[in-house]
Amino acid sequence: KAGVTQTPRYLIKTRGQQVTLSCSPISGHRSVSWYQQTPGQGLQFLFEYFSETQRNKGNFPGRFSGRQFSNSRSEMNVSTLELGDSALYLCASSLASASSMNTEAFFGQGTRLTVV
Amino acid sequence: AQSVSQHNHHVILSEAASLELGCNYSYGGTVNLFWYVQYPGQHLQLLLKYFSGDPLVKGIKGFEAGFIKSKFSFNLRKPSVQWSDTAEYFCAVNAALGFQKLVFGTGTRLLVSP
Repeated sequence: KAGVTQTPRYLIKTRGQQVTLSCSPISGHRSVSWYQQTPGQGLQFLFEYFSETQRNKGNFPGRFSGRQFSNSRSEMNVSTLELGDSALYLCASSLASASSMNTEAFFGQGTRLTVV
Repeated sequence: AQSVSQHNHHVILSEAASLELGCNYSYGGTVNLFWYVQYPGQHLQLLLKYFSGDPLVKGIKGFEAGFIKSKFSFNLRKPSVQWSDTAEYFCAVNAALGFQKLVFGTGTRLLVSP
């Protein structure tokens, strides 16, 4: 069974630009969550989507946004990029729902974003 | 707010040595607990998980973890490490409320020398 797929794998953007990252979850998984991984802050939760609705949001500025489509694929967008947004962005999918609480998250390879 | 503490940031061991990585969390409710591993250049992989039941859980590659509710701890152990265990290990907590919001520890870099 195919894993979580993230595209692109690498991105280089200039300060002030915006970027869109894509995530295709494991088939049947309706929960998609996003994390930012940096050497200084570690792994931090950005947001989670389930059935096209954002259920949870982490402590990130409004420049970070996301959405989920009816096929569960998700995108995250970062506008007005700053140097500090350089990070590995990880997407995870799971079967988590109100009726299925005990589930694990499966992670993709990540998108390495470099802001110059 | 939930938080997770991993006590060791860097660990260096020789092959065949025993490993124990500490993890403590702060959250008063029911939690799901995980250990993930990130091998160099690879994605995060689940080592083991605890939802309920037997507090001693076994995972892949000979790893196990012990949940002690009274100490809010979930320590990872392996009796005999191998060079291939060189990786970064992350403890994570998720409130068992039906959504997926993992709170991670800062990670422990393990280097196993042959």
